[in-house]
Amino acid sequence: GAVVSQHPSRVICKSGTSVKIECRSLDFQATTMFWYRQFPKQSLMLMATSNEGSKATYEQGVEKDKFLINHASLTLSTLTVTSAHPEDSSFYICSARDLRSGANVLTFGAGSRLTVL
Amino acid sequence: ELKVEQNPLFLSMQEGKNYTIYCNYSTTSDRLYWYRQDPGKSLESLFVLLSNGAVKQEGRLMASLDTKARLSTLHITAAVHDLSATYFCAVDWRGGSNYKLTFGKGTLLTVNP
Repeated sequence: GAVVSQHPSRVICKSGTSVKIECRSLDFQATTMFWYRQFPKQSLMLMATSNEGSKATYEQGVEKDKFLINHASLTLSTLTVTSAHPEDSSFYICSARDLRSGANVLTFGAGSRLTVL
Repeated sequence: ELKVEQNPLFLSMQEGKNYTIYCNYSTTSDRLYWYRQDPGKSLESLFVLLSNGAVKQEGRLMASLDTKARLSTLHITAAVHDLSATYFCAVDWRGGSNYKLTFGKGTLLTVNP
């Protein structure tokens, strides 16, 4: 089945630094990838939709200058949290559609837990 | 904007009992998903429901979709402790130029011996 690899799984950084999270589709091409954020004991909130070769579409309330998304190839999307602050600490999860399945199956990465000190 | 309402949000049940989790959504969609999440983990796909009247079963879990009522259910039969987790429903809908998934708040299921 489709596999999405997300790295790193855990990252701790100091306030003010930037952190990059990678999301790779290992055995399929993903023209669209999605980035979610999940705070403790809450649901997943869509941050942005990432389309290969074009600018990401951000959800309302998500700062595009703070959460930089790049989708340079059909198998890789990256999320960079710039100038991270403690309130950015969260569980970030990416997902990708496997178009071979008719775009009906969404595969999730294992998630990246960000802690900003 | 699509709203997805899931209830109950918390469910504590005894082993061997049956229960149903409900998922209502506010706009037209015929693509609904159920996921399981264990603490500290990502999502595990349980069911993909793609048409009105769809019913799928896997072990002690059965999911159904009624697109006319905009309602999906996840039925648990003879619960066991291993089913303890958070369950999310998610609705796929066309927001702008992309289909995107909107999640319910999740149901934290605790199965007690």
